[in-house]
Amino acid sequence: DSGVTQTPKHLITATGQRVTLRCSPRSGDLSVYWYQQSLDQGLQFLIQYYNGEERAKGNILERFSAQQFPDLHSELNLSSLELGDSALYFCASSADTGTGTYEQYFGPGTRLTVT
Amino acid sequence: AQKITQTQPGMFVQEKEAVTLDCTYDTSDQSYGLFWYKQPSSGEMIFLIYQGSYDEQNATEGRYSLNFQKARKSANLVISASQLGDSAMYFCAMRERDSSASKIIFGSGTRLSIRP
Repeated sequence: DSGVTQTPKHLITATGQRVTLRCSPRSGDLSVYWYQQSLDQGLQFLIQYYNGEERAKGNILERFSAQQFPDLHSELNLSSLELGDSALYFCASSADTGTGTYEQYFGPGTRLTVT
Repeated sequence: AQKITQTQPGMFVQEKEAVTLDCTYDTSDQSYGLFWYKQPSSGEMIFLIYQGSYDEQNATEGRYSLNFQKARKSANLVISASQLGDSAMYFCAMRERDSSASKIIFGSGTRLSIRP
């Protein structure tokens, strides 16, 4: 158990819908990362937050947004969903201040299926 | 642009043998970090080992070691005395260290299968 929790574990929704994925980092970790893992794109870094502020941005679509709240949990919002958004979405947390030199602990992931 | 290349899509290794998983990277930055992660069939991502670009010693964590050759831009993962539980996907990843807008990129992974 990494100490990172993600809910829900599975999500099935229709095209055009909007969903919210939730992540709670390990106790004390200020950095939260979001990743998307799909069969055709591999593992893609989406976005990083550090203590409530966006720190780094990867291949995140405009239809996707994220935030980190004062209690440090984070949410990833996916809107206008398309079939291609079906993937495993990971959240990870680390103790780093954004330099990326600390190991990241991954949550179990949320499997999103868009039908 | 940053790039991570894992040229071995799949490998089969006999139990108790050592195995080397290849990873080469491309970056123009002097300061960066390299990571290896393991993903078993259950899906979770497990951190294995980290190497900083300025670290003079190769990183080691138990049976895992990272063979870091900076001039060749390679960061191969070595697993000694492989076990059946080592069967999994392995991902190499890189992050530039100093950029506030730095990204993390992953290789395409290597599926390692350990034969009894």
